[in-house]
Amino acid sequence: DAKTTQPPSMDCAEGRAANLPCNHSTISGNEYVYWYRQIHSQGPQYIIHGLKNNETNEMASLIITEDRKSSTLILPHATLRDTAVYYCIVTDAGKSTFGDGTTLTVKP
Amino acid sequence: SAVISQKPSRDICQRGTSLTIQCQVDSQVTMMFWYRQQPGQSLTLIATANQGSEATYESGFVIDKFPISRPNLTFSTLTVSNMSPEDSSIYLCSVQPGWAMNTEAFFGQGTRLTVV
Repeated sequence: DAKTTQPPSMDCAEGRAANLPCNHSTISGNEYVYWYRQIHSQGPQYIIHGLKNNETNEMASLIITEDRKSSTLILPHATLRDTAVYYCIVTDAGKSTFGDGTTLTVKP
Repeated sequence: SAVISQKPSRDICQRGTSLTIQCQVDSQVTMMFWYRQQPGQSLTLIATANQGSEATYESGFVIDKFPISRPNLTFSTLTVSNMSPEDSSIYLCSVQPGWAMNTEAFFGQGTRLTVV
């Protein structure tokens, strides 16, 4: 699986959009980009995934650059409950290799 | 989707003993994985639990220390053997329900293990 790089931490004001970047410069053609989050003491929760097109669901949007070497997860209106560790993963084999993730803190 | 029941949710064990963690899924799944999350750290994949055959272990993990069973498509166990305080971690079961590789994974709530 390709390696990902994420900033260790980010802050966001409640109600504003949270934009979480991820670099995956060694991604291969058949690897998908997945995002999960882990709220303290809970198992990771799936957010969204994509191959090369931008994706949107009820939780978030995923923007993947044309060269697929980076992506951005967008939480359009962050709430305090979105405070968590966010993991960006690239994989084609089912199993997920977790990096250190980004700790997002949403502040009132 | 998949609902995962993991037991026990937590345990405190004496060093030198073993603990078996159970993972039950509400539907048949092809891919099932076991992860470890040490305090303050990210998740590390231990192994892929294969139905009807031996588990596939990641580098740094061996069958003697972490034997895994997968008797059917809805159930798996992970045993942490001959425990030491360094084994104190959260152990998580994960499944990927779809038959295609590009489906999301679901995680159990984890087993919080403390070895004293």
